[in-house]
Formats: sequence, C-alpha cells, structure tokens
Amino acid sequence: DGGITQSPKYLFRKEGQNVTLSCEQNLNHDAMYWYRQDPGQGLRLIYYSQIVNDFQKGDIAEGYSVSREKKESFPLTVTSAQKNPTAFYLCASRNDREAFFGQGTRLTVV
Amino acid sequence: AQKVTQAQTEISVVEKEDVTLDCVYETRDTTYYLFWYKQPPSGELVFLIRRNSFDEQNEISGRYSWNFQKSTSSFNFTITASQVVDSAVYFCALSPGGDSSYKLIFGSGTRLLVRP
Repeated sequence: DGGITQSPKYLFRKEGQNVTLSCEQNLNHDAMYWYRQDPGQGLRLIYYSQIVNDFQKGDIAEGYSVSREKKESFPLTVTSAQKNPTAFYLCASRNDREAFFGQGTRLTVV
Repeated sequence: AQKVTQAQTEISVVEKEDVTLDCVYETRDTTYYLFWYKQPPSGELVFLIRRNSFDEQNEISGRYSWNFQKSTSSFNFTITASQVVDSAVYFCALSPGGDSSYKLIFGSGTRLLVRP
C-alpha cells in the first residue's frame, strides 16, 4: 500500500542525547515535511524539503536537523540543543493536491 | 502574514445534532488552497477536503459540508447529524499558492466531542 511510515511510534530519550525519527514514503512525492504538535496545539513546521539534497528551516527549526539523501526518506534528528523536545512529531509528504501524513512519533524525554 | 484561526477550542454536542466548525484565514495571495483534516485519537491526520481560492462553490460529501466565503476569509465545516465516530480534533490549513514549497499552515484545531 502507498503511504508514509513513521518509526518508532513511541520514543524515549534521556536528557543530552540525540535521537533520530524515521520517515519513509512510497508515494513518489518530491515535498516532505516535519511538524511538531504539542498538547492542545496546532501543528508547527520544523523543516521541509522540496527535492533531494535540499531542505529549508520552518518556524521552529532550532535544536533539530534533517537530511534528504533519498526521495523516499526524510529523517529528523532531535538534538540535545532542543530544550523541550517532548511532543508528538508528524511527517508528511505532498503533491499539488493534498498532504499525506504518517501516524506520528511520540517523543518523551526521561 | 499567513495565518489560520480556529477560535473554537472545544465543542461538545449530543449525537444527531448539527455542528459547525469555524475557520478564518489570512493571506495576501490571490491564489491559495484551503484544507480540512481530521485527527482521531490515533494521531494520524486524515484528509477531508481541499479547496482552491477560485472555487467558491459550497461542497457536500455525505454528512459533511463546507462553506467557503472569500468576502469574510472563512472556510467553515459543518457536520450534519453528528455521530460519536466524528469525535476528533479538526484542523483547518492554508497553503499559499504562490509558494512552490507547498507549505501547510495550520490552525490550532477544534476538538469535537460527540456524546451518545
């Protein structure tokens, strides 16, 4: 089935550690996105990529990094510089009509 | 500035009631796209509708209908005869048409609770 796969579904991180969230799509979309959702909040854009080997900062990029080495993959690294990383992270890919979302990764700092 | 406002944080209705979720947007672009997404408890966002700025016709899909009014910059969503399964968070989103990055700008969402 075509779609977006995010893994893991739940992730726990110790303070000071970097963690990487996986996002894979088989929809052949050029554009991919990472959003962060806090409880009771909307979605805020972290990073986006329109083509392979290119990506742009969104509204809240500090403390995060991404790569886009393959069209299908857009991993997000939450670095130790992100002071409040506990949140729900959603990955999306898009064509000119609609955006498709993964099931999300819930990251908790312990 | 590009912005989406969903003023209703939470709405609670009894099953079979009609309910309207409000969405007001801001953009200076003449070409843009508006979306509604549903987020059930599982967390994944489910696409409901996409509307471009040149198409002001209202749309109906089963129990769902959308009212797009450029004059008031609103794109409201109505659920007729609500059901318990409609309980979810609903997001309105704006995609500036002149922005080739296809960015989606989301509102803060409206949590709908449909009680039996």
